[in-house]
Amino acid sequence: DTGVSQDPRHKITKRGQNVTFRCDPISEHNRLYWYRQTLGQGPEFLTYFQNEAQLEKSRLLSDRFSAERPKGSFSTLEIQRTEQGDSAMYLCASSETVNTEAFFGQGTRLTVV
Amino acid sequence: RKEVEQDPGPFNVPEGATVAFNCTYSNSASQSFFWYRQDCRKEPKLLMSVYSSGNEDGRFTAQLNRASQYISLLIRDSKLSDSATYLCVVFTAGTALIFGKGTTLSVSS
Repeated sequence: DTGVSQDPRHKITKRGQNVTFRCDPISEHNRLYWYRQTLGQGPEFLTYFQNEAQLEKSRLLSDRFSAERPKGSFSTLEIQRTEQGDSAMYLCASSETVNTEAFFGQGTRLTVV
Repeated sequence: RKEVEQDPGPFNVPEGATVAFNCTYSNSASQSFFWYRQDCRKEPKLLMSVYSSGNEDGRFTAQLNRASQYISLLIRDSKLSDSATYLCVVFTAGTALIFGKGTTLSVSS
């Protein structure tokens, strides 16, 4: 499968715990995006990378959130000290270049209890 | 004003109906435009790109009006399988793809 891959697909964690999600983009795609989606809403932008450089972070991304893309390949999104409000679907997408359509992974559904 | 705004929906139509969705965007410098489809509890999938001259893909037609900062999607001869949420997506240089909240379509027999 050469699509965008996300791991894990589901995560249940206790409030206050740290979680880390992984995204493997389509090979050779330079851009990688992270979005968060809650029920009834469209995907909300969190951050994106051009190769290994993190170019923009949304104000939604509090200091408990951090993302990396070492070597411009896979990316990780970490949430520290999770809160119930962090419960959502976390979507990763990649695109070949600037300005082109993005392809999404199946997402990681986070539930904070 | 939100960056990308869509019709609130939901749209409930019978099979065979024609339905149109509208979307407005706030940044006049936006460069690329897309419609995505999202099924319940699934990831968004690209439906079609939107070009300045307008484009058609089977029963789907997308239009762009840069002067009015307006994008539309027309679905003809609706099928049950068209039931989904349709997301308007805008790209502006120096930032990421921005999504609207989506419009839900329900096609009934």
